Amino acid sequence: GAGVSQTPSNKVTEKGKYVELRCDPISGHTALYWYRQSLGQGPEFLIYFQGTGAADDSGLPNDRFFAVRPEGSVSTLKIQRTERGDSAVYLCASRPGLAVNTGELFFGEGSRLTVL
Amino acid sequence: TQLLEQSPQFLSIQEGENLTVYCNSSSVFSSLQWYRQEPGEGPVLLVTVVTGGEVKKLKRLTFQFGDARKDSSLHITAAQPGDTGLYLCAGARRGSTLGRLYFGRGTQLTVWP
Repeated sequence: GAGVSQTPSNKVTEKGKYVELRCDPISGHTALYWYRQSLGQGPEFLIYFQGTGAADDSGLPNDRFFAVRPEGSVSTLKIQRTERGDSAVYLCASRPGLAVNTGELFFGEGSRLTVL
Repeated sequence: TQLLEQSPQFLSIQEGENLTVYCNSSSVFSSLQWYRQEPGEGPVLLVTVVTGGEVKKLKRLTFQFGDARKDSSLHITAAQPGDTGLYLCAGARRGSTLGRLYFGRGTQLTVWP
């Protein structure tokens, strides 16, 4: 597709359940980011992938959060034992590789997670 | 604690009015970006400023980066209903991961016809 694609667009789950959120970046973009945007807040950095590896995961709030990008394209954000405080919009963004750096992040529309 | 403080948080004005949104920090940034976000969508980049004192114009929008690279402002002239949206400033810190941005809380702008 032309832009960053995220699925599902909305996810409602119960406290304690496991969820997976998927991101399909712009074709050819080697850098991929996950951000979280809580209600009334700006996006907050979670994790950055350059290729297949997590180059910076220091933004993950705790060990219930994990993300993978096994083939250097699609990424999945995994949240275990969800809590009500995890409710937020999870944004994925991508960027061309280091050789082409205009600094611009291209964001998807986000996955809205609601934990009841 | 937000690294970047935006003000005002909400702004409701009539079409044709001018407005300024501020983004302030006690930290120095290597660059600062302004994004616009509409409901149900991700942020879209408007501009990047990298040099202290830099001024960039995008049609009716004027962006300024403070001399010390700690603050920025967005000025809109003759606002239009199509300018309605959430305006976010985001800074990159020297030595931080490339693409790791520190966002402000945003300014929700509503322009009434």
